[in-house]
Amino acid sequence: AQTVTQSQPEMSVQEAETVTLSCTYDTSESDYYLFWYKQPPSRQMILVIRQEAYKQQNATENRFSVNFQKAAKSFSLKISDSQLGDAAMYFCAYFGRSRGRGNKLVFGAGTILRVKS
Amino acid sequence: NAGVTQTPKFQVLKTGQSMTLQCAQDMNHNSMYWYRQDPGMGLRLIYYSASEGTTDKGEVPNGYNVSRLNKREFSLRLESAAPSQTSVYFCASSERVFQPQHFGDGTRLSIL
Repeated sequence: AQTVTQSQPEMSVQEAETVTLSCTYDTSESDYYLFWYKQPPSRQMILVIRQEAYKQQNATENRFSVNFQKAAKSFSLKISDSQLGDAAMYFCAYFGRSRGRGNKLVFGAGTILRVKS
Repeated sequence: NAGVTQTPKFQVLKTGQSMTLQCAQDMNHNSMYWYRQDPGMGLRLIYYSASEGTTDKGEVPNGYNVSRLNKREFSLRLESAAPSQTSVYFCASSERVFQPQHFGDGTRLSIL
């Protein structure tokens, strides 16, 4: 079974600085998607960025980028120029592309990001 | 564009009562999902529907039933609520099973 581990329960960053959130996963599949979701206090889940495993190039969305290390099964999220609005719970998630039964999005436990002004 | 709409937003039940959580999406998505979120844990999949007319169990299906009423709507039913089902419930949808999911705002359910 696939598992997703976020080893940092909580992180803090100064406004305008850069922070990296860690995520590792375990899978025997070769083709899958990885996602980072953001959940602000409003509780709404917002997709931040996604990465297809077959793509070697790291995904980037404005101030958000990932460091995808497929061999190491690592998928970290870097937030540059942190803003107060980035404060939220961040979830790393995995989705396998195998078309058997039981495909599901597996979430990590989350990392709380606090942004200091 | 409303996206994914969940009702109700809050509910308090007594142990043993039944309840249906409603979810509707207006994005013409094929796949829909129900998750629960508990403190200190990520979301856990309860049930999902890969396409209209199909449903499958997720990670924590016990105590729940679902109905994919049509392409837009996917309901979650608690037949006999238990305190262990106190949680925040999220509905999500995606164009297909492998695509990124769009989430509703969640339903906070407390069972006394």
